[in-house]
Amino acid sequence: DAEITQSPRHKITETGRQVTLACHQTWNHNNMFWYRQDLGHGLRLIHYSYGVQDTNKGEVSDGYSVSRSNTEDLPLTLESAASSQTSVYFCASSPGGQEKRFFGPGTRLTVL
Amino acid sequence: QKEVEQDPGPLSVPEGAIVSLNCTYSNSAFQYFMWYRQYSRKGPELLMYTYSSGNKEDGRFTAQVDKSSKYISLFIRDSQPSDSATYLCAMTTSNFGNEKLTFGTGTRLTIIP
Repeated sequence: DAEITQSPRHKITETGRQVTLACHQTWNHNNMFWYRQDLGHGLRLIHYSYGVQDTNKGEVSDGYSVSRSNTEDLPLTLESAASSQTSVYFCASSPGGQEKRFFGPGTRLTVL
Repeated sequence: QKEVEQDPGPLSVPEGAIVSLNCTYSNSAFQYFMWYRQYSRKGPELLMYTYSSGNKEDGRFTAQVDKSSKYISLFIRDSQPSDSATYLCAMTTSNFGNEKLTFGTGTRLTIIP
């Protein structure tokens, strides 16, 4: 079955380190998204991509970057991790249109 | 003020009860409305999708949109323990390649057997 996976599922890192979170989908969806979820804020969009070589900033993109070299993967990089980036990160994909967005299982990141 | 407001709960109801979950919003341009269900330590999954005002029913779930009041609801009939989850409302102005899907903060629901 097609799916979307994230790795690692849990990560503890130190302030200032570079961290990369992986997202891989096998639906062949063009659209991919990264969100963070925090208490009191809900899901907030970090970056998104509509296809290979396309990346766009979301509402909370500072300190994060993405690259899209193929259809299946959209890795999220924290250039220099900060304690404010402690959160649960969700990757999502969609074939197009808002009603069919599929979310991954999430990565719980702690920055000490 | 947030664009989408949702009571975080927690909300606890006995099994078999009717549950009502609600969101209010301020942007009158929102036209597409969704409800996502999120089990603990899992990603959200789409539960219901509606366009503009009106009702949509799917099994025990009914989504209701009142654009004049900027108010959406999700009703769960004959609630089951398996319905225990966090419910997120989401909405957007366009269905075509619009990345701006605005989420509520979620309501945590527990169904007591």
